[in-house]
Amino acid sequence: GQQVMQIPQYQHVQEGEDFTTYCNSSTTLSNIQWYKQRPGGHPVFLIQLVKSGEVKKQKRLTFQFGEAKKNSSLHITATQTTDVGTYFCAGTLKTSYDKVIFGPGTSLSVIP
Amino acid sequence: DTGVSQNPRHKITKRGQNVTFRCDPISEHNRLYWYRQTLGQGPEFLTYFQNEAQLEKSRLLSDRFSAERPKGSFSTLEIQRTEQGDSAMYLCASSYFGGTQYFGPGTRLLVL
Repeated sequence: GQQVMQIPQYQHVQEGEDFTTYCNSSTTLSNIQWYKQRPGGHPVFLIQLVKSGEVKKQKRLTFQFGEAKKNSSLHITATQTTDVGTYFCAGTLKTSYDKVIFGPGTSLSVIP
Repeated sequence: DTGVSQNPRHKITKRGQNVTFRCDPISEHNRLYWYRQTLGQGPEFLTYFQNEAQLEKSRLLSDRFSAERPKGSFSTLEIQRTEQGDSAMYLCASSYFGGTQYFGPGTRLLVL
């Protein structure tokens, strides 16, 4: 079946270091979304990428969608303790019902 | 009300009991999704509705699970004869067609 994978599963960084999480789909996606979930919280929408090769920035966060629309990445520059949480990618499949599949997430810990 | 709400927020039940959860989506949203999330995993798709029509059900959804959205507004998810393996966070999300999904705070279920 269709799968969305993410690596790494966990990442511990010193505050101020950069962080990147990678998302890969076994099938071509219509779009990809990124969510952040704080410990004890629910997923909160960050951004959606639609076009092949698209790059979007939100302050210290840079999101990229691959040319083949099968992979994506999220890069955080100079991490802060407020960045702690689990980052999920969610791919929308090209079906008649816009099925969304979440990756397993990357859990980020930031050491002050 | 500007967000998705879910009730109850927590539920503790004994194995074999039935439980019902409620989700109230954002009022303009015509799509409503149910997900299940266990510790360390991403949300797993269970089912979704467009207006009152249930358009897709995951194979994860056994016969003990049923969901309804009778008037195309709020939805209920019922689990019959609960098992310990049903313990999880049950998340509801809503969207306008295939747009951004906004998540509710979830209902955390513990089956003893």
